[in-house]
Amino acid sequence: GAGVSQTPSNKVTEKGKYVELRCDPISGHTALYWYRQSLGQGPEFLIYFQGTGAADDSGLPNDRFFAVRPEGSVSTLKIQRTERGDSAVYLCASSLTRDSYEQYFGPGTRLTVT
Amino acid sequence: DAKTTQPPSMDCAEGRAANLPCNHSTISGNEYVYWYRQIHSQGPQYIIHGLKNNETNEMASLIITEDRKSSTLILPHATLRDTAVYYCIVRPNRDDKIIFGKGTRLHILP
Repeated sequence: GAGVSQTPSNKVTEKGKYVELRCDPISGHTALYWYRQSLGQGPEFLIYFQGTGAADDSGLPNDRFFAVRPEGSVSTLKIQRTERGDSAVYLCASSLTRDSYEQYFGPGTRLTVT
Repeated sequence: DAKTTQPPSMDCAEGRAANLPCNHSTISGNEYVYWYRQIHSQGPQYIIHGLKNNETNEMASLIITEDRKSSTLILPHATLRDTAVYYCIVRPNRDDKIIFGKGTRLHILP
């Protein structure tokens, strides 16, 4: 079946602009996670949704970052007033439930802020 | 912060067993050991997990020491497609997020 998909695959934006990154989880998966990966580092947790609600947003670096999942499926990560330090690969993952052993990751969106 | 220590890189000859070590000396009784890998330009992929018994699946085997302070992931017959960064993670079973470290970059040599 279809895996986790993310769009766009690449996004280049200018410093100060607003961007939206989309994640389509595996159908039926109730848990959805966003991670950020800088070059040479492991993925870093940002936020976790159980259904429509953000169950843990402790990884969001500041209030420029916001994520939504209004219908409990697709999620959008929103970044306001982008900075060059926001450049990274943004990964989305989903799992059947919060207690599932396995998280399924998408291919990521590479964000470059110039 | 990641609760595991892994070597930054390893080499293994194609067709041989790849043994990837991981130290997790501060692991708690309710924490599982998970392994994920990340092939270049892809998202991480789950490999295996265990609590205290050794585990095996179609991808790999996981050997956990009796004191649970370290473990080894074994890829029995490494192929070029196993070239990736391998992450060892400790995670409470019912927790949500995964805390990744820097992992081990495994190079499979032809």
